[in-house]
This record gives sequence, structure tokens and C-alpha cells, in this order.
Amino acid sequence: QVQLQESGPGLVKPSETLSLTCTVSGGSISSYYWNWIRQPAGKGLEYIGRIYSSGSTNYNPSLKSRVTMSIDTSKNQFSLKLNSVTAADTAVYFCAREAYSSIDYWGQGTLVTVSS
Amino acid sequence: QSALTQPRSVSGSPGQSVSISCTGTTSDVGNYDYVSWYQQHPGKAPKLMIHDVNKRPSGVPDRFSGSKSGNTASLTISGLQAEDEADYYCCSYAGSDPWVFGGGTKLTVL
Repeated sequence: QVQLQESGPGLVKPSETLSLTCTVSGGSISSYYWNWIRQPAGKGLEYIGRIYSSGSTNYNPSLKSRVTMSIDTSKNQFSLKLNSVTAADTAVYFCAREAYSSIDYWGQGTLVTVSS
Repeated sequence: QSALTQPRSVSGSPGQSVSISCTGTTSDVGNYDYVSWYQQHPGKAPKLMIHDVNKRPSGVPDRFSGSKSGNTASLTISGLQAEDEADYYCCSYAGSDPWVFGGGTKLTVL
């Protein structure tokens, strides 16, 4: 059973960079796409982007200028960086696996608050 | 990339059937048979209920079914049960973007 676990600071100051890591266990990180999705409190899911095990990426156009994703297959981890954050970036951030035609396994999510 | 359109809320009594619609465009729902549906209980991660328009992952009750016509996909839940009360999100492949979610629908079991 594949499991994903997000980790990173729960509090980030405005204008700084949000950095999260997702650790994958119970399966290989190779040959899959790995995604980041976020959810502001009381709101819907917003797609952030994905990275393939080879390192190729696709980002939501609305966030593309601020997002960078990376992957470390030796550690079974992938990461998200979102720069120049504002209060609007406060949300629960989920990492998730994409298998062929759907996003199937999700992490439990981690709350990131942007505040000074 | 615009969010897919879902009704904000639906409701039904135990044992009844409800359907939730998900309307996109020819760039997403209408162009790909990669529509999935997620159930989310408060404070929990979304759970995959339907993928590839109408396929159920192992362990998902057959009370849940999916369909698609043109730019609109639908999730139908038959034989409603109290534990079905949750938020439901549709998601479609959108090519290079590459995924887009619906705004979510709150299902209330009366």
C-alpha cells in the first residue's frame, strides 16, 4: 500500500518561500507522476502541478511563475517550492500520486499558514 | 484553466439516489475520458471513488457510478447511506495543464 507524507514548516512569512517535501513509502517513486494540490480552509481543491520521476514538470498556469518542483528518486521524495507567498496561499497542501489516468493515492495533507 | 462547474449542494434521504453534475469544456471533460470523482470527509484527504469516467477502484461500493455525455460528467450515488454525507469533487484531465478540479458539491443525507 503506497503511503505519502507531507512535511515542512507550518508557518511562512509573507513574501518568503513555502517549501514542502513529500515522502513516498510502500512503493517506488519511479515511473509515476507526483502531484501537489492545495485546499484553502472551507474551499475547494486547487491543482498546483506535477513532476514525473524523470524530472519533467507541468504546472497550473495561474501559479506557474511562482512554483518549482523537484524530485529525489534515491530518497523516494519530491518537493514543492512556492515563492513570494501571500495570505492567499494559506491552505492545506496535499501531495498525491497519479497512476495513468487519475490521481489515486493522497497524503493526509499539511496546513501551511502565511502570516508575519 | 477554469474550475469545472458543480452544484454547490445536493441532498437526499437514506435509500434514495442522487446525482452530481460536473460541467467542463471541450478542452477537458469533453475531450478526455479521464474524469474522476473524489469523496472528502471533513479534515480528511480526498478518496478516489470513480476514475476513467465510470470505473470503481477496489473497495468502493457499487452504489457509486459515473457517466459522461459531451462536456458534462455525472456521479450517481444510489441507496444513499448516512456515511455518504461528504464533499464530492470531480476532476478531469486537461492536456498540458494537466488536471482541473470542480468546485465541489456538499452532499447532505437528510
